[in-house]
Amino acid sequence: GDQVEQSPSALSLHEGTGSALRCNFTTTMRAVQWFRKNSRGSLINLFYLASGTKENGRLKSAFDSKERYSTLHIRDAQLEDSGTYFCAAEARGSALGRLHFGAGTQLIVIP
Amino acid sequence: GPKVLQIPSHQIIDMGQMVTLNCDPVSNHLYFYWYKQILGQQMEFLVNFYNGKVMEKSKLFKDQFSVERPDGSYFTLKIQPTALEDSAVYFCASSRDSQDTQYFGPGTRLLVL
Repeated sequence: GDQVEQSPSALSLHEGTGSALRCNFTTTMRAVQWFRKNSRGSLINLFYLASGTKENGRLKSAFDSKERYSTLHIRDAQLEDSGTYFCAAEARGSALGRLHFGAGTQLIVIP
Repeated sequence: GPKVLQIPSHQIIDMGQMVTLNCDPVSNHLYFYWYKQILGQQMEFLVNFYNGKVMEKSKLFKDQFSVERPDGSYFTLKIQPTALEDSAVYFCASSRDSQDTQYFGPGTRLLVL
C-alpha cells in the first residue's frame, strides 16, 4: 500500500482525447501490473511489465525500475474505457508474487 | 483470457462463525494468492501458496486464517472464528509462475455481523 503512490485519483476525459496515469514507487520494484476494474468489480488484466514498454491498442504502458515509476497512457479514449485503473507492483527482495496495489484512478470518459 | 472463479460471491455470517471462501484458479497455474480489500481502502496481500505450502503471509493473515488446496481442487481461505473486522472483499489470484501475470477472481464480499 504505502509503497505505491498512484495519481491522479480521478480523471475525466472527453471521448477521443488521451492522458496518462502514473505510479511512483518508494522502493525498487521487480515488475508491475496494470488492471482495470469493470462495473462488476472484476479486475481486468491490462499489462504485466518487468521492464520497458508494452502497447495494446489504445493503451501503452512503461515501467522504469531504476527511476521507480510506471505509466499507463490512454489515447483516443472511448466511453467503455471508464472505470477504475490500478497499478500493482512486486517489490524486489520481497516474496515473489506479492503485489502492492496503488489506490486507483477513477476514469470517467465523457461523450 | 484466463478466468479465476470465486464461490460464493457474497456471504453474510454472524461473528464467531466459521467461513470458507472458495477459489477455482486457472487450470495450469501453480501459484495462488489471497488479497483483502476493506471498503474504501487499498487491496492488501494476505498470503501466497505454492506446492501445498504457504510461502509468505502478511500481518493481516491472522492466526484464525488458514489456506489449503486439497487434491488440486478449490484453493480455500478459511476464517475460524470470524471477527467484525474480517468484513471485506476477498480476492483470489493465480499465476503460472511466481514472476508472471496474476489473474484475479471477481471477489467474495464477506459481511460479518
